[in-house]
Amino acid sequence: GIQVEQSPPDLILQEGANSTLRCNFSDSVNNLQWFHQNPWGQLINLFYIPSGTKQNGRLSATTVATERYSLLYISSSQTTDSGVYFCAVVTKWYGGSQGNLIFGKGTKLSVKP
Amino acid sequence: ETGVTQSPTHLIKTRGQQVTLRCSSQSGHNTVSWYQQALGQGPQFIFQYYREEENGRGNFPPRFSGLQFPNYSSELNVNALELDDSALYLCASSEGLADEQYFGPGTRLTVT
Repeated sequence: GIQVEQSPPDLILQEGANSTLRCNFSDSVNNLQWFHQNPWGQLINLFYIPSGTKQNGRLSATTVATERYSLLYISSSQTTDSGVYFCAVVTKWYGGSQGNLIFGKGTKLSVKP
Repeated sequence: ETGVTQSPTHLIKTRGQQVTLRCSSQSGHNTVSWYQQALGQGPQFIFQYYREEENGRGNFPPRFSGLQFPNYSSELNVNALELDDSALYLCASSEGLADEQYFGPGTRLTVT
C-alpha cells in the first residue's frame, strides 16, 4: 500500500521562527490533508490540498502531486502552534472507490517562548 | 452548523467486555470513517460507511463492527475487548468519499 513519510519527526523552534514540514507519499493520491492535533487529541483541519498552493494566515501549503510531496510552511511561529502536525492522503482508486485517509507518523512541533 | 460530535468522551472498560462508541456527522455529510489512534502514532483506518453501507475496511479483526443510520450518524462496536484496544477513537465525516474529512473530538478508551 501507499507509504506516507513525514519529516522531521520532531522540531523545536523559538517563538517567531519559520519552519517547513515535509510529507512524501509513494503513489498517486485523490486527496491530501494537513491537520494539527492539539494536546486534547482534536484533529484540526489546516488544508485540503491534493495539488497546488494555498495560504491561510501564517500557514501555507504546497502539494506537487507529480513529484509526490507536500510542504507545510509555518511563519512567525507562536507557542499555540505547538502540537503534532499530520499529513494524510486518500489513494487514487481504479475501479471501486475508497476514501480512507492514510496518515503519516506526524511531526511534533514545540515552540518555546 | 454543528460539527462532528462523539460520545462518550472517556470510557474505562475491562478486558473481555463490549463497548459502543457513537458519532454524529456534520450536517450534509453522508460519509463517516472511523480511526484508531494509539499513543504516539498516527490514526489508523478502521472502516468507512457511505450511505449506510460499509465501504472499505482497514486491517482490524471482525470484533470491530459498525453501523450507519439513515440520518448518517454512526456507531463503532468492539467485542471481547483487549488491552491493546486502549486508544483514542476518532470519527470523521465528509460530503463524499474523497472529499475533505472533518474529525470529531474523539473517545478515549482505556481497557484494564
